Amino acid sequence: QVQLQESGPGLVKPSETLSLTCAVSGYSISSGYYWGWIRQPPGKGLEWIGSIYHSGSTYYNPSLKSRVTISVDTSKNQFSLKLSSVTAADTAVYYCARHSATVTEFDYWGQGTLVTVSS
Amino acid sequence: QSALTQPASVSGSPGQSITISCTGTSSDVGSYNLVSWYQQHPGKAPKLMIYEVSKRPSGVSNRFSGSKSGNTASLTISGLQAEDEADYYCCSYAGSSTHVVFGGGTKLTVL
Repeated sequence: QVQLQESGPGLVKPSETLSLTCAVSGYSISSGYYWGWIRQPPGKGLEWIGSIYHSGSTYYNPSLKSRVTISVDTSKNQFSLKLSSVTAADTAVYYCARHSATVTEFDYWGQGTLVTVSS
Repeated sequence: QSALTQPASVSGSPGQSITISCTGTSSDVGSYNLVSWYQQHPGKAPKLMIYEVSKRPSGVSNRFSGSKSGNTASLTISGLQAEDEADYYCCSYAGSSTHVVFGGGTKLTVL
């Protein structure tokens, strides 16, 4: 069974960089599929942040592209998100998920982790 | 403001059928058969219910069905059950620049 688990600080100061990692078990990232990040502000809807292929190819939400970096570490079977210059508007539950080449098919999700941006 | 437009809420009684609409544009829903639907219960991660407009993943009840006409996709739930009460989100591919867009979500209440 494929499982994803997000980890990282739950509190980040404004203007700093948010860093999260998603550990994957039950499936080797090197075997294929795409790996993405989606966030959900409290009480609001879902927003796709970006995705990465096991080869390292990335694509990002244009509205966040200037601040986002997604990377993959196949040796640790995990991928990571960095979001720079955060503000209170970046406060959200951050999910990692797997999807196929049909990019809207997110079939496995992590449980999500709440990141609050506050001083 | 979300890229795809969904009604904020819908409701139905047990056993009834309901339909949730998802309206996009000719740049997303209207151009690609890559619309998916997610169910989200409070405090839980979203769950894939429909992909590629009308396909159901293994394990998803056949009470859930999807369709598309022009720039609008729809999710229909038949034989409503109490456990169907949740938020539902549509998602569409939007081309090689924008990639993925979600709807604002619809809260389904089972009366």
